[in-house]
Amino acid sequence: DTAVSQTPKYLVTQMGNDKSIKCEQNLGHDTMYWYKQDSKKFLKIMFSYNNKELIINETVPNRFSPKSPDKAHLNLHINSLELGDSAVYFCASSQEAGQGWHTGELFFGEGSRLTVL
Amino acid sequence: DQQVKQNSPSLSVQEGRISILNCDYTNSMFDYFLWYKKYPAEGPTFLISISSIKDKNEDGRFTVFLNKSAKHLSLHIVPSQPGDSAVYFCAASVAGTASKLTFGTGTRLQVTL
Repeated sequence: DTAVSQTPKYLVTQMGNDKSIKCEQNLGHDTMYWYKQDSKKFLKIMFSYNNKELIINETVPNRFSPKSPDKAHLNLHINSLELGDSAVYFCASSQEAGQGWHTGELFFGEGSRLTVL
Repeated sequence: DQQVKQNSPSLSVQEGRISILNCDYTNSMFDYFLWYKKYPAEGPTFLISISSIKDKNEDGRFTVFLNKSAKHLSLHIVPSQPGDSAVYFCAASVAGTASKLTFGTGTRLQVTL
């Protein structure tokens, strides 16, 4: 049973389209993340939600809108896709170790490879 | 600005030998460091971590060393096994924001027979 699952795993679309990537974790964690790995292999944080509240937003264009309907789900919606959005998007989750502190041990999904043509 | 650097994109080591993967950082505020391992078509998985109050942490075949004055850490794998072949990412965070990790670009380790 997959701990952090993302769908779809592959997504090919045209510039200007709107697409969504879904993420679910069954670990009971209270914090979820979206990371982006670009063509240069940089893995960078985009967003983090703790118990459905946005706690990290790393100057991501507002075409990207995360939505957390509950603490087990964090979806990523992207409007008006651009060529530069092509990347692998990783969802992750973690559990607070206490008083808002996290150990940094993240559990990642398998990634969703987005290709914008 | 790349605050966490892994200057060796790849490393090849014979089975049974030691693998040493290096990582440098520039942000002196970083005080918690982690290594993640990634197989193709999978997400990164946590391997080992170290706090800045330590200079060494060991877990089985994996040992991480931290040299704060040099802003350098390394991961030693002894003995290396073919199943260790993967991409290894170094990551760092600032106290209180351990959920916000800054990753290096990874080093691809190949363990040959």
